[in-house]
Amino acid sequence: EVQLVESGGGLVQPGRSLKLSCVASGFTFSNYGMNWIRQAPGKGLEWVAYISSGSSYIYYAETVKGRFTISRDNAKNTLYLQMTSLRSEDTALYYCARRRYSELDFDYWGQGVMVTVSS
Amino acid sequence: DVVMTQTPVSLSVSLGGQVSISCRSSQSLVHNNGNTYLSWYLQKPGQSPQLLIYKVSNRFSGISDRFSGSGSGTDFTLKISRVEPDDLGVYYCGQGTQYPYTFGAGTKLELK
Repeated sequence: EVQLVESGGGLVQPGRSLKLSCVASGFTFSNYGMNWIRQAPGKGLEWVAYISSGSSYIYYAETVKGRFTISRDNAKNTLYLQMTSLRSEDTALYYCARRRYSELDFDYWGQGVMVTVSS
Repeated sequence: DVVMTQTPVSLSVSLGGQVSISCRSSQSLVHNNGNTYLSWYLQKPGQSPQLLIYKVSNRFSGISDRFSGSGSGTDFTLKISRVEPDDLGVYYCGQGTQYPYTFGAGTKLELK
């Protein structure tokens, strides 16, 4: 069974940093591109970042470029999102999601981890 | 960026009824390789989104044939027939043809 379990969220002050993790199981993690997708309270879905299976290709949404860094450790089956210079508008539920190479969709999602940016 | 516009914002349906949700993209979603990467997701209350349909009209594993997707280019439709209580929630279309990946704002399906 595919499982994606996020952690690392919490309450953080504006301008501070936070690092999210997503531990994968039930599939060969190193074979899949992975994404972070967020959902502000009561709002829709916003794609945040993508990293290819071997970390060769990385893309970011303009809203986080230069502030967030996506990375992965295939030996640990773990995806990361380092978030710096956090703003109130970054407050959201952050999901990690697996991307299928041929279908370019998100076939499995974690349960999400909440990040609240507030003073 | 490709803007995805979903209509309606909300839908009321009776159990057993049929509904359609429209999704329009600001640019063609036909990839250079000829494929169209338009997906549909359902987010049930309190849950993570789940994949229903990929590449316009293909049902994901375990998805009922009551769900069907159609369309081409910039205009796409999700149809749900014989609506069941477990179908309620917010439906999102999403495009994977070009970065950044973008989603529609969602259509909330409620019981009448």
